[in-house]
Amino acid sequence: GQQVMQIPQYQHVQEGEDFTTYCNSSTTLSNIQWYKQRPGGHPVFLIQLVKSGEVKKQKRLTFQFGEAKKNSSLHITATQTTDVGTYFCAGPVETSYDKVIFGPGTSLSVIP
Amino acid sequence: EAQVTQNPRYLITVTGKKLTVTCSQNMNHEYMSWYRQDPGLGLRQIYYSMNVEVTDKGDVPEGYKVSRKEKRNFPLILESPSPNQTSLYFCASSLWGLNNSPLHFGNGTRLTVT
Repeated sequence: GQQVMQIPQYQHVQEGEDFTTYCNSSTTLSNIQWYKQRPGGHPVFLIQLVKSGEVKKQKRLTFQFGEAKKNSSLHITATQTTDVGTYFCAGPVETSYDKVIFGPGTSLSVIP
Repeated sequence: EAQVTQNPRYLITVTGKKLTVTCSQNMNHEYMSWYRQDPGLGLRQIYYSMNVEVTDKGDVPEGYKVSRKEKRNFPLILESPSPNQTSLYFCASSLWGLNNSPLHFGNGTRLTVT
C-alpha cells in the first residue's frame, strides 16, 4: 500500500545549526502538508504545498515540494530551542482524497 | 475561540469496559477524523467523516466505532477495549478535508487499557 517515509527519525543539533527533514511518498501526492508537534502537545499545521517544485518560506523555515510530487523537505536555518518538536508530513491517500496518511515524523532536539 | 475539544485528556480503563471519547469542534467544519499516535508509527487514521451521517474507515478501524449525528460532534467509541488500544488519540477537523484545508487537532486523549 501507499507509504510515506521520513528521514531522519531523530536529529540532535546545536543551537544555531541548520536542520533538514525529508519526506518521501511511494506514490504521487496531490498536495503535502507539514505539521509540528511540540513535546506533550498536539500537531499544529505549518504549511501546505500543492504545485510541483513549489518552494515556500516562513521566516527560518523553507519548504519544498519535489518536481514529481513524491517528496518534500523542510529546512530550518539557524535552529532555536523553540524549534524543538516532531515534524510530520502528511498527504491525501492516492485512492481516496479524504483519507490521510502521515509520515512517522522527525524528532528534532536542539542543544542550547 | 476556534478549537477542537476532546474529553477526557486521560483515561485508564480495564479490558472489555466500553468507553467513549468525545470530540467537538466550533468551526463549522465539514470534515472530522480520529487518529492514534504510537511511538515510531506516527499518526494513523482510524475513522473520518466528510459530513453528517457519513463516516468511513481509515487505516486502523478495527475495534473502534464512530458516529456523526451532528456536524460539531464526532465521538470515538471502543465497545470492548483491549490493551493494544493503549495509545494517544487525537481528534481533528478541517473545513473540507486534507485536499483543501489544514487539520485542526484537539489536545489529545491518553488512553491506557489494563
